[in-house]
Amino acid sequence: DADVTQTPRNRITKTGKRIMLECSQTKGHDRMYWYRQDPGLGLRLIYYSFDVKDINKGEISDGYSVSRQAQAKFSLSLESAIPNQTALYFCATSDWTSGSRQYFGPGTRLLVL
Amino acid sequence: QKEVEQDPGPLSVPEGAIVSLNCTYSNSAFQYFMWYRQYSRKGPELLMYTYSSGNKEDGRFTAQVDKSSKYISLFIRDSQPSDSATYLCAMSEDGGTSYGKLTFGQGTILTVHP
Repeated sequence: DADVTQTPRNRITKTGKRIMLECSQTKGHDRMYWYRQDPGLGLRLIYYSFDVKDINKGEISDGYSVSRQAQAKFSLSLESAIPNQTALYFCATSDWTSGSRQYFGPGTRLLVL
Repeated sequence: QKEVEQDPGPLSVPEGAIVSLNCTYSNSAFQYFMWYRQYSRKGPELLMYTYSSGNKEDGRFTAQVDKSSKYISLFIRDSQPSDSATYLCAMSEDGGTSYGKLTFGQGTILTVHP
């Protein structure tokens, strides 16, 4: 089984809808991240969490919120989806002992109509 | 100006060629340098990881870091069609509030044709 899983893998939604993307990990890592990837822009950090009680904004957090339900689970919500949130979304994990190495999930492809 | 610049390509080479991928950066506090490989419709996977300046070799892959020039490179020897992917450079500071946070380049699309 994959160490970092994301659900759903693909999602189509309409403008104004609320959606949630979920991430689970079995690596035992304490740190989790949410990124979005757009063509030509690389990966940009949305939110990150260094432990269950620690949530931090990344460079592009507007329009997003997160919840760290447990060490192994980190969810990303779009409260009111808009078309320019159409992108690939990745969850990643790391551990304080691994330096800056991060391990990524397979991604969620989101289309907002 | 972006903190990390990477030529997006695309780059197309014949099988067996030596490939050179590069990134430049502006933040002198970066100490950790990584290369990720991303196949189509997959998540990025960590390929190379180095700390501070120097070279690191792993099979056909060599990562170089020149902190004085704020320049990092990834070399792929004897490239194979299976190396066709997007290659992303990533960097992080050592310590402080930014520790553990990665800054990525835009990614270079590489195609190795038989």
